[in-house]
Amino acid sequence: IVMTQSPATLSVSPGERVTLSCTASQSVRVNLAWYQQKPGQAPRLLIYGAVTRATGIPARFSGDRSGTEFSLTISSLQSEDFAFYYCQHYNSWPWTFGQGTKVEI
Amino acid sequence: QVQLVESGGGVVQPGRSLRLSCTASGFPFNTYTMHWVRQAPGKGLEWVASIHYDGRVEFYADSVKGRFTISRDNSKKTLFLQTTSLGPDDTAVYYCVREHGDYGGWPLGSWGQGTLVTVSS
Repeated sequence: IVMTQSPATLSVSPGERVTLSCTASQSVRVNLAWYQQKPGQAPRLLIYGAVTRATGIPARFSGDRSGTEFSLTISSLQSEDFAFYYCQHYNSWPWTFGQGTKVEI
Repeated sequence: QVQLVESGGGVVQPGRSLRLSCTASGFPFNTYTMHWVRQAPGKGLEWVASIHYDGRVEFYADSVKGRFTISRDNSKKTLFLQTTSLGPDDTAVYYCVREHGDYGGWPLGSWGQGTLVTVSS
């Protein structure tokens, strides 16, 4: 299954609302996760089951699904949210990641 | 608290082998499916392999199938990745990852800090 993220880069200002997209080449049901990765750090799970926030993740992060199209929305971008974001399916083997979206100032 | 500490990375010549280890603590290791995920320098994430909590089932990415072997020792709370026939495309930070929930079927929850494998002559 190929996971395609868009755009590759998002240039935004703090306080803005941003939406990242991820499309699966075939059905992954709701078995879709989003991760955040900052430079020099390991990734962190944000969203799983397409829409469920992981423990400790702020409410400004939300996930949505429409068929094989998924989105991650950050309602009001904070300075600490500038990072790379990856989607990944865990519906069947092999698991695959999208190529990532960089959210930059 | 969950801790995953990888070791065994380093510089290795093309065609050689390397064994990575991951020592776990802070959770019941024998109830969690574990994974290896890698990231080449400046690139995205690539899932590499997984092993069920009981060690009986393994899955691999096509890029490593037949060359890498994932295993675990539940008595020592340790995960392993035996890598063979290494090539330049295997150069990456290798992360040990625990699933978000127990007994399988969860996304990647807790990550180690990673160990760098560099394949170079």
